[in-house]
Formats: sequence, C-alpha cells, structure tokens
Amino acid sequence: GENVEQHPSTLSVQEGDSAVIKCTYSDSASNYFPWYKQELGKRPQLIIDIRSNVGEKKDQRIAVTLNKTAKHFSLHITETQPEDSAVYFCAAILRSTGNQFYFGTGTSLTVIP
Amino acid sequence: GAGVSQSPRYKVAKRGQDVALRCDPISGHVSLFWYQQALGQGPEFLTYFQNEAQLDKSGLPSDRFFAERPEGSVSTLKIQRTQQEDSAVYLCASSLSLATEQFFGPGTRLTVL
Repeated sequence: GENVEQHPSTLSVQEGDSAVIKCTYSDSASNYFPWYKQELGKRPQLIIDIRSNVGEKKDQRIAVTLNKTAKHFSLHITETQPEDSAVYFCAAILRSTGNQFYFGTGTSLTVIP
Repeated sequence: GAGVSQSPRYKVAKRGQDVALRCDPISGHVSLFWYQQALGQGPEFLTYFQNEAQLDKSGLPSDRFFAERPEGSVSTLKIQRTQQEDSAVYLCASSLSLATEQFFGPGTRLTVL
C-alpha cells in the first residue's frame, strides 16, 4: 500500500542480465526489510532480508541495499536465469503506529531465455 | 518439520454466510500474521498475534472480520456475513519473532458468490 511503494510493476530482462527492483517506505522507524518471491499459485518465500543497522547484504546472485536517509531499499539480481521469473514483493515493518507488515504491490519479473 | 498449514484450501460461500479459516503455524513460532491477497496484488496486512495476544488488528477491513489464537498456536480467521468483496486468498504466516523470516502457509482461496 501507500506505506511501501514498489517499482517497476513489470520487468523483463534477458537471461544473464541484471534486474533491479526498488522500494520506498514512509516510516522512519521501520527496521526490518524482507524480500519475498512468489511463483504463480504458490506461497511467498523469503529470498533475502536486511535490517536497518546495515547498508547492504548479499547472498550469491541476490543483494539488497538500504538507504535509511532516503528511506528506500533495492533488490539486485545478477546473472538472471529463467527460474528467477516470478513476482517479487518488498516489505517493511511499520513500527511507529504498531506492528504491521506492509508489502509492496509486487514486481512481475520475466527472464527471457 | 512441517511448515505452516491452512485449511480449507478452497472455500466457496454464498453471500451472507459465515466462514472460518484455520491456520496451523510452525511449532514454537511466537508471531502469527494474517494477510489478504487479491489477485495481482501484494499481501495486505490484517492482524498480528504474539502468542495468544492479538497485538494489532488495524488491518481488519470491518467488524465482520475476527481472528483468534486462544492457546498461542492454532489461529482462526472468521468472516461473518461474507460479501463479494471478501473474495481473495487469505494467507497465514508465522515467525519466531516479529522481525524475522515469516513462513507462509499455502493460503485459503475464498470465493463469495
């Protein structure tokens, strides 16, 4: 929703290229930012997460960067493969008014072989 | 080693009927979340439990929605007098604590006719 904005909504890349998805959040008290991958008809699964005390985290071909000042964080997938095709959601925990998790509206990534 | 399970997987209700959706979280997980996911959208936060305490229910769309987790394990989401706009996939997720990886169930697809 409006607490977390995600762009782009769709993304097509050639196999082997990189993909970048960006999210912004509104609550400066947010301190946990996960990314989920959801394949068609399946449940969301965590692929990487980052906490507000670090600026970057990497796991093989996947990395997440966080800019607390600007209140945005990004998912980077390098050397994309067809099996990376899915919908990706960012999320942020809203701390200032309670304990809600807000998800972005999703990015449909297509990796073209 | 079972993950999060939900039942039923599919539910068709006539408008005005009451429905109850069940979530069995991973054993030992303190935190439990309910989300509503419309087609092509990200999960929308409904409510959050820490053990048996419902700490946040700000996402419940109306007073027709009610959730409980009486013994701090299994949770039930109840929707009274269902409306067509309630049609969606209802996802349950559990985690060890608030700001850790959430494990999602397969969801219950509710269709209100």
